Amino acid sequence: GDSVTQMEGPVTLSEEAFLTINCTYTATGYPSLFWYVQYPGEGLQLLLKATKADDKGSNKGFEATYRKETTSFHLEKGSVQVSDSAVYFCALSVREYGNKLVFGAGTILRVKS
Amino acid sequence: DAGVIQSPRHEVTEMGQEVTLRCKPISGHNSLFWYRQTMMRGLELLIYFNNNVPIDDSGMPEDRFSAKMPNASFSTLKIQPSEPRDSAVYFCASSQDRAWGEAFFGQGTRLTVV
Repeated sequence: GDSVTQMEGPVTLSEEAFLTINCTYTATGYPSLFWYVQYPGEGLQLLLKATKADDKGSNKGFEATYRKETTSFHLEKGSVQVSDSAVYFCALSVREYGNKLVFGAGTILRVKS
Repeated sequence: DAGVIQSPRHEVTEMGQEVTLRCKPISGHNSLFWYRQTMMRGLELLIYFNNNVPIDDSGMPEDRFSAKMPNASFSTLKIQPSEPRDSAVYFCASSQDRAWGEAFFGQGTRLTVV
């Protein structure tokens, strides 16, 4: 079945450090890929997405590139802020199987000032 | 738009009691999802509706769980009887078919079964 694997956390960084959160996937069809973010006490919010190979999704300084050859969609940010502290979820959706998302386990990010 | 609205935000109940969680999706969205989040199992999709019809309920844990969507603006998730292992945060999310994979989540209901 379809699945998403993320690097385990928590990831602890100092403010202005570079961030990478690894994500790889397995899919039986051609997936669209997503990163969602969950702030404390809230539901998930879409951060960025990519719908086909080599697409780059970006938002709020975060970027991720859809790499079909390595089945990866790693999240990066050049300079993190304390306000980026949250849980980040990688997810996929395969249109043939309906409009539903398969999520990874989530990665906790803690940014220290 | 007010976003996806869930109620209650918190629920504490005794084992064996019936629990009903409620969700109002965003107007115009035709897909609705119920997820359960726990530390041990992460985010699990319980059931997915499209145009008010259940499409995939393979994630519903057992017969104690049931979900309905009587119209486009309301859905319920019921647990009867509840057990301590049902304690979790339950999220409702909605989306439009033309915005594939872009789901909007409610703030969740934190359920504690004692």
